Amino acid sequence: QVQLQESGPGLVKPSETLSLTCTVSGGSISSYYWSWIRQPAGKGLEWIGRIYTSGSTNYNPSLKSRVTMSVDTSKNQFSLKLSSVTAADTAVYYCARGGGRFDPWGQGTLVTVSS
Amino acid sequence: EIVLTQSPGTLSLSPGERATLSCRASQSVSSSYLAWYQQKPGQAPRLLIYGASSRATGIPDRFSGSGSGTDFTLTISRLEPEDFAVYYCQQYGSSRFTFGPGTKVDIK
Repeated sequence: QVQLQESGPGLVKPSETLSLTCTVSGGSISSYYWSWIRQPAGKGLEWIGRIYTSGSTNYNPSLKSRVTMSVDTSKNQFSLKLSSVTAADTAVYYCARGGGRFDPWGQGTLVTVSS
Repeated sequence: EIVLTQSPGTLSLSPGERATLSCRASQSVSSSYLAWYQQKPGQAPRLLIYGASSRATGIPDRFSGSGSGTDFTLTISRLEPEDFAVYYCQQYGSSRFTFGPGTKVDIK
């Protein structure tokens, strides 16, 4: 059974870069799309982007200028970088398998943007 | 961008009752690429339905999805205590995937 686990700093300063990694266990990362989705406290879900194991990416146009995703198949991991963060980027960040529908999801990690 | 609208915002029902949740898209969703998720407090969303009407692995048959084009419905035939949660629809038929704002199903 595939499981996903997000990791990374829980606090990021404004204007800096948010960096998260998702580790996939219980199965291979190969031949799938992998996505990042976020959810501000008490609010809805926003798809950030997806990456295929070849390295091909698609990003949400609203975030595209600040997002970079990468994949490391040797470590069964994929990563998210979001640059120039502001308080509006404070959210729970989820990683998930899939490039359209998402299943399964990681448990999520709260990232707070504050000085 | 395809905007999804969900109604009602909150649905107050008793265990054993039938729940009908609506999701309407601002434009037609290609190939019925519409999914439904359940989210409980402090947990990640869980995929229930994909392709508008296909149940995900392990999802009880009291959950069913229907619809096409711009109008979709999630039905829970008889609410169990563990079904009280927030439900989101999501479209993946366009290049920019979007979620609806959610419907909260709470205990009456």
